[in-house]
Amino acid sequence: DAGVIQSPRHEVTEMGQEVTLRCKPISGHNSLFWYRQTMMRGLELLIYFNNNVPIDDSGMPEDRFSAKMPNASFSTLKIQPSEPRDSAVYFCASSLEELHEQYFGPGTRLTVT
Amino acid sequence: DQQVKQNSPSLSVQEGRISILNCDYTNSMFDYFLWYKKYPAEGPTFLISISSIKDKNEDGRFTVFLNKSAKHLSLHIVPSQPGDSAVYFCAASQGNKLVFGAGTILRVKS
Repeated sequence: DAGVIQSPRHEVTEMGQEVTLRCKPISGHNSLFWYRQTMMRGLELLIYFNNNVPIDDSGMPEDRFSAKMPNASFSTLKIQPSEPRDSAVYFCASSLEELHEQYFGPGTRLTVT
Repeated sequence: DQQVKQNSPSLSVQEGRISILNCDYTNSMFDYFLWYKKYPAEGPTFLISISSIKDKNEDGRFTVFLNKSAKHLSLHIVPSQPGDSAVYFCAASQGNKLVFGAGTILRVKS
């Protein structure tokens, strides 16, 4: 059974460019979460979806960040324009809404120069 | 304001001995607690969890203890193995959302 799939695994881009991170949750899971991990702030929740609907985006740092979930098997996190301080590892996780356990993908390491 | 705190950045234990990782929380509304293990260049992996209505949950070598009055939980690994060397994150749940601690690096020496 495939776990959460994220692409790309690594992304290096220049300041001002648009970055799109992709996630495929575990089949059958109806909740999806985007996290960011940095040395300063640890693992922080950016946004989560239930049944493809954004429920809480209070963790999204600013308007440069946006996330979509057009269907149950795909989500994107977009940063436009990107800045050096966006450099971090971005994780996607999924779960069944009625359960607390979340299952994480391998992450995307983003470097903005 | 950190709602979930792991005050020990690192812990070193001899193989075969017990590893005890600690976690404190401040929000009494948390109703479920989880431990995750993370290896370098991988995502966190769910390890074990406990509901706030229990005080102990055991799964093989891993046991989680919850002390609600002290707002404290701990993860015991016994016996510790070199493959347990990783970063361990404590997480607390409020509804669907998880709040993570900063993590503790565990090194198990052979």
